[in-house]
Amino acid sequence: QVKLEQSAAEVKKPGASVKVSCKASGYNFIDHGINWLRQAPGQGLQWMGWINSHNGYTKYAQMFQGRVTMATDTSTSTAYMELRSLRSDDTAIYYCARGRVNNSPWWFDPWGQGTLVIVSS
Amino acid sequence: EIVLTQSPATLSLSPGERATLSCRASQSISNYLGWYQQKPGQAPRLLIYDASNRATGIPPRFSGSGSGTDFTLTISSLEPEDFAVYYCQQRSKWPLTFGGGTKVEMK
Repeated sequence: QVKLEQSAAEVKKPGASVKVSCKASGYNFIDHGINWLRQAPGQGLQWMGWINSHNGYTKYAQMFQGRVTMATDTSTSTAYMELRSLRSDDTAIYYCARGRVNNSPWWFDPWGQGTLVIVSS
Repeated sequence: EIVLTQSPATLSLSPGERATLSCRASQSISNYLGWYQQKPGQAPRLLIYDASNRATGIPPRFSGSGSGTDFTLTISSLEPEDFAVYYCQQRSKWPLTFGGGTKVEMK
C-alpha cells in the first residue's frame, strides 16, 4: 500500500535549520508530487508548499518563501523539506502528504505520520 | 488568501445520529473543496475531494455537497470511530488553505 515514512523528532535552537525527510513506498514516486504541511500544538493545519517529484518544480506558500527548500531524491523515493532561521513559533508537527492527482498538489492523500520539531533555546 | 470558516466549532452528538458540518469560503471556489478527518495523535485522512467525491476506502455514510462558497459534510449515522476533528480545505487559489476545524464529540 502507499506509505510515507517520516524522519524522527528534532529539537533545534532558534536560528538553526531543520531538514525533515519523507520516504515513499507503494507507488511510482515520480508520478505524484509531495506537499509539506504543519500543525502547531493544538492548532489547525497550514500548507507550506509542494514539489513536483517528476521535474523538481516547487510552489511555496508566500509566508515561507526564502526560508524553506523542498527537494526530492528519485533514486531513493525520498522527499526533503528544509526550514531555516527557526523561531519558537515554528514548533509544530511537520507532515508530508502525497498529492492525490498525478503531478499536481491537489488533495493530500495519504499523509506521513508527522515529525515533531521543537524550537527552544 | 481564501479564508474558510467552519461551523460549528464543536458538535456534540450521540452514535447513530446525523452530523452536518459546514464550511464557508470567503470567495467562490467552484467545487474545489476537500474534507479531512483527524483523530488525536494521528495524521489527517482525506475523506472527500472536489466537494462530493469520496476518497478511496471512505465509507458511504460520509458525503459532501456544495459549490461556490457554501459546502457541507454529512455523516449519515455516526459510528464510534467518527468522533474526531474535521477540516475543510480549498484548492482554488494559492496558497492552499484550511478551515479552523469542527470537533465532533460524543454527547
